[in-house]
Amino acid sequence: DQQVKQNSPSLSVQEGRISILNCDYTNSMFDYFLWYKKYPAEGPTFLISISSIKDKNEDGRFTVFLNKSAKHLSLHIVPSQPGDSAVYFCAASAGNAGNMLTFGGGTRLMVKP
Amino acid sequence: SQTIHQWPATLVQPVGSPLSLECTVEGTSNPNLYWYRQAAGRGLQLLFYSVGIGQISSEVPQNLSASRPQDRQFILSSKKLLLSDSGFYLCAWSVRGGYTFGSGTRLTVV
Repeated sequence: DQQVKQNSPSLSVQEGRISILNCDYTNSMFDYFLWYKKYPAEGPTFLISISSIKDKNEDGRFTVFLNKSAKHLSLHIVPSQPGDSAVYFCAASAGNAGNMLTFGGGTRLMVKP
Repeated sequence: SQTIHQWPATLVQPVGSPLSLECTVEGTSNPNLYWYRQAAGRGLQLLFYSVGIGQISSEVPQNLSASRPQDRQFILSSKKLLLSDSGFYLCAWSVRGGYTFGSGTRLTVV
């Protein structure tokens, strides 16, 4: 039973346009959400996070939106750059589960020049 | 500063051979430590986690085991590797909030 799902395994976007990566979750106890970026043969690196008390968090070209009623979050990258091409993982944690993260299956983003 | 070291970066092992991957953390004490595997074209699968020395929880029954002999050391092992053990193995630690991942080990079992 996947508690965090990224239903799009891949996404292709033109350079300069917006990339929107989606993530759905089922566990209503999740209260903290993160996005990680992973290049091949490297460990994932933290990108941006959002607490359930917010519905939006912005950091430069990256914005994460949280819709608690729909149990849905999304990562917006604008403008997209070729260097953004990577696999993006959505992750979630529940306050009563310590620091344990539950990851989605990842979405491979390809930004074409 | 807090850092995490994982080695080796790549490993090619024959079927039936043993495995030992090591992960060490610096700059923090009593971290929660994790081993993940990313199989080809798939997401991150939690294998083991540890909240303290000698405390190991297994998430998926398999051919692998983990040990935490010291506070900042986490070891992933196998007595006899299977072809299906091939993948990209990641160590991670957390204190509060998110994880910091190691650089990963690409294991190919042949």
